[in-house]
Amino acid sequence: KAGVTQTPRYLIKTRGQQVTLSCSPISGHRSVSWYQQTPGQGLQFLFEYFSETQRNKGNFPGRFSGRQFSNSRSEMNVSTLELGDSALYLCASSLEDSGAEAFFGQGTRLTVV
Amino acid sequence: GESVGLHLPTLSVQEGDNSIINCAYSNSASDYFIWYKQESGKGPQFIIDIRSNMDKRQGQRVTVLLNKTVKHLSLQIAATQPGDSAVYFCAENRKSGAGSYQLTFGKGTKLSVIP
Repeated sequence: KAGVTQTPRYLIKTRGQQVTLSCSPISGHRSVSWYQQTPGQGLQFLFEYFSETQRNKGNFPGRFSGRQFSNSRSEMNVSTLELGDSALYLCASSLEDSGAEAFFGQGTRLTVV
Repeated sequence: GESVGLHLPTLSVQEGDNSIINCAYSNSASDYFIWYKQESGKGPQFIIDIRSNMDKRQGQRVTVLLNKTVKHLSLQIAATQPGDSAVYFCAENRKSGAGSYQLTFGKGTKLSVIP
């Protein structure tokens, strides 16, 4: 059974640009959550999607957005990139709801220059 | 405040010894905790979880202890192996009003195993 797949693995962007990251959950998983990991702040919750609906959102500015498709695949978008957005972005999927065991992908390493 | 934190940022143990990683939490209403292991270049990997109606849970070479009185949990790894070298996070899986859950992570402890 394939795990959570995130693409791309690495990305370099310039300040002011926007970026889209993709996450394919484990087959059958309907909940997808996104996290940002930085050395200074650790792992922080961005948002969670279930059945194409955002159910929960962390304390991040509106530049961070996401969506989920009918096949449960999810994308997150960051607009007007800032240097501080450089981080490892992790996606996690779980079965019916995110209260169950969450499985993480390997993440997308975003560097903003 | 609502936070999950680690007592020690780094831990070095001799191969074959037992490892103990500690974690404190502040929200007395927390009822579900998870330990994750993150190796370099990888995402966090689920190790073991525990709910507040339990004091102890055992897995393969790992044991999690939960002390609700002092709001503390620990991860014990028996017979630590080089492959156990990683950063370990405790996380609280908290239910939000929307029926969703979100993980609140501690800062992490880096475990180094000395061969």
